[in-house]
Amino acid sequence: AQSVTQLGSHVSVSEGALVLLRCNYSSSVPPYLFWYVQYPNQGLQLLLKYTSAATLVKGINGFEAEFKKSETSFHLTKPSAHMRDAAEYFCAVSDRGLTGANSKLTFGKGITLSVRP
Amino acid sequence: ETGVTQSPTHLIKTRGQQVTLRCSSQSGHNTVSWYQQALGQGPQFIFQYYREEENGRGNFPPRFSGLQFPNYSSELNVNALELDDSALYLCASSLRSGRAVNEQFFGPGTRLTVL
Repeated sequence: AQSVTQLGSHVSVSEGALVLLRCNYSSSVPPYLFWYVQYPNQGLQLLLKYTSAATLVKGINGFEAEFKKSETSFHLTKPSAHMRDAAEYFCAVSDRGLTGANSKLTFGKGITLSVRP
Repeated sequence: ETGVTQSPTHLIKTRGQQVTLRCSSQSGHNTVSWYQQALGQGPQFIFQYYREEENGRGNFPPRFSGLQFPNYSSELNVNALELDDSALYLCASSLRSGRAVNEQFFGPGTRLTVL
C-alpha cells in the first residue's frame, strides 16, 4: 500500500521568502511522485513530477522538488514566494511500472500556503 | 486542444436520492479516473475506466458506479446518497499507451451537497 504524509496543514510565508512544503511517502515499489496545486474553486494543476530521471525536478512557476530515497521525501521548494502562490498544495504518489491497471494517485491531505505582503 | 470538462458545476441533492456526474476527457485521452475530495482533505481515488471497462477501484461501496462511452467521456453515478457523500468530485483524463499511463489532467470538479 502507498501513502503520503504532508506534515502541517498550513504554512504562512512573507512575499519573497523561501517556500518549503514537506512530503514524505511510503511505497513498496519505486514510486512516481507528484505535486499538484489547487486554487480556490478549481481542479488540480500539475506542478511537477518525479519519474526516476533526475532526482531534482523543476516544475512550473519556479517550483522544484528533490527526491530523496533515503529519507522517503519529496519536499517542494520555491526560492521566493509570490502572492499568486497562495493556494492548496497536494503531494501524490503512484506505483511505478504499472500497466495502467489501478494506476491511481494517492494524495496527501494537502497544505494551504498563505503569502503575506 | 480542449481540456477536461465536468458538469454540472454544483449540485444539491437530498439523502437517498441518486446523482449522475459527467466528464468529458481531454482530446486524445482514453482513460478516465474519478476522485472524491471531501472538505479539507486530499482527493481519494474512486475508480478508473479504460476502453469502457472499470480498470481499478478504490475503497468505495458499490453504490458508486460509472460508465465510459466510446468517445471516452464518462459518468459517475451515486445511488442512495448519504450526507458524507458531500464533496468535490474530480475527473481526470490520461492517455494509456501500451504499458504506460501518462499524466492525469484534472477537470474543475463538481461540488455535490447532500442535505
